Order: sequence, then structure tokens, then C-alpha cells
Amino acid sequence: NAGVTQTPKFRVLKTGQSMTLLCAQDMNHEYMYWYRQDPGMGLRLIHYSVGEGTTAKGEVPDGYNVSRLKKQNFLLGLESAAPSQTSVYFCASRKSLGEAKNYEQYFGPGTRLTVT
Amino acid sequence: GQQLNQSPQSMFIQEGEDVSMNCTSSSIFNTWLWYKQDPGEGPVLLIALYKAGELTSNGRLTAQFGITRKDSFLNISASIPSDVGIYFCAGQRNSGNTPLVFGKGTRLSVIA
Repeated sequence: NAGVTQTPKFRVLKTGQSMTLLCAQDMNHEYMYWYRQDPGMGLRLIHYSVGEGTTAKGEVPDGYNVSRLKKQNFLLGLESAAPSQTSVYFCASRKSLGEAKNYEQYFGPGTRLTVT
Repeated sequence: GQQLNQSPQSMFIQEGEDVSMNCTSSSIFNTWLWYKQDPGEGPVLLIALYKAGELTSNGRLTAQFGITRKDSFLNISASIPSDVGIYFCAGQRNSGNTPLVFGKGTRLSVIA
């Protein structure tokens, strides 16, 4: 069981370039999330998905798009990168509703993105 | 939006000391989770709490679900250098498909 994996681990982009971050989980989790982490700001939710084919906006969605074509994958896209998107991006997943233990959320190792 | 107030923001302690941190909210939560993030890594789940008043331990870590359901506490006993990192609390409201609400973290430094 690899848990939650993220690719790439590091990336440097120039302003205006595009890229896609990939999150994969092998735990058969329904729910998946994308967060960004900046110094002093904690974890801020960008977008999330409660199942294959569904997506929803989080706290800071502007400048990002997501897709959940397969249950195990959740993609985060930056169409035109800006320096303000320099951050560490974390993906997370958990089971769906049901017993309380299903609320336990598991994180990937992160992608460190720098936009120059 | 919802907020979790986590305190302290940071703390410096001597190795061997005990540590306490807490999270409070104006809203009621059904579940409280505590995470630790090592430098350069993703957050790792330490303890999950499901019932008001619940006290749960994981080694030297003990966490409690406040009786009002609006707060939670994490204690670390006899700290060691590897306890260094950022500790996050997170709360889950009644509606289980809403995202977790996270505190901004407590940065712990341990002086050997």
C-alpha cells in the first residue's frame, strides 16, 4: 500500500506556463482534496472531490482547475502560473460517509512549486 | 467561514519537558484529528477523537475531545528532539461530506 502519492516532488515554472500536478491513492477512498501550504497560513483548501466525476471549490480555488476522471486520481491544473502560486501543494484522501473513522484524512508527501 | 484557533503558534521547550497545545472553535465538531508535519513532509495523522470527553493516547501523546465539542487538547510528555515539527488540529462537522477545518498549526522546537 503506497497510500497517497504525488508527482512531481519539485517543479520550477516561469510565469504564464501551465502544469498539472498528479495525486494518486490506492486505498479506494471516495474523497480527495488539494491544499496549498504557505508560511504562517496553515493548510488552505483549493478544490476537493467527493467521488469520481465530481469536483467542488474550496477556500482558494482561483487560478486552479481540477479533474477526477478516475476514482484513484485527482489532478490539479495551473493554466497560467503566477508567482503567487509558489507554494507547497498537498493532496489528501479519505473514505466516504459512514462510521466516524472514515473521517480520517491521509496526506501525500507534497509538491514544492516555484513560479518565477 | 469556520475557523479553528490553535495555540500557541510556536513554542520552544527543553528536551524532557511536557508540552500542551489546544484548538478552540465557536462551532461544534463531531470529530477532532491531530496531525504532525515533519520538515519537508506531508502531515501525518497522530490521533483521532470521535466522542465528547474522549481521551486517547498514542505513546507519549495524549489528546482529548472537549466536553463542549468546541475544543480539543494535545499533550506530549517527556519531549524528545524528534518531536520537532508542526502540529495541526482539524475538526469535522456534522455534515460528513464537508471538508475538514484546520488550525494554523503549532510549531514545536525542542532544545536538547
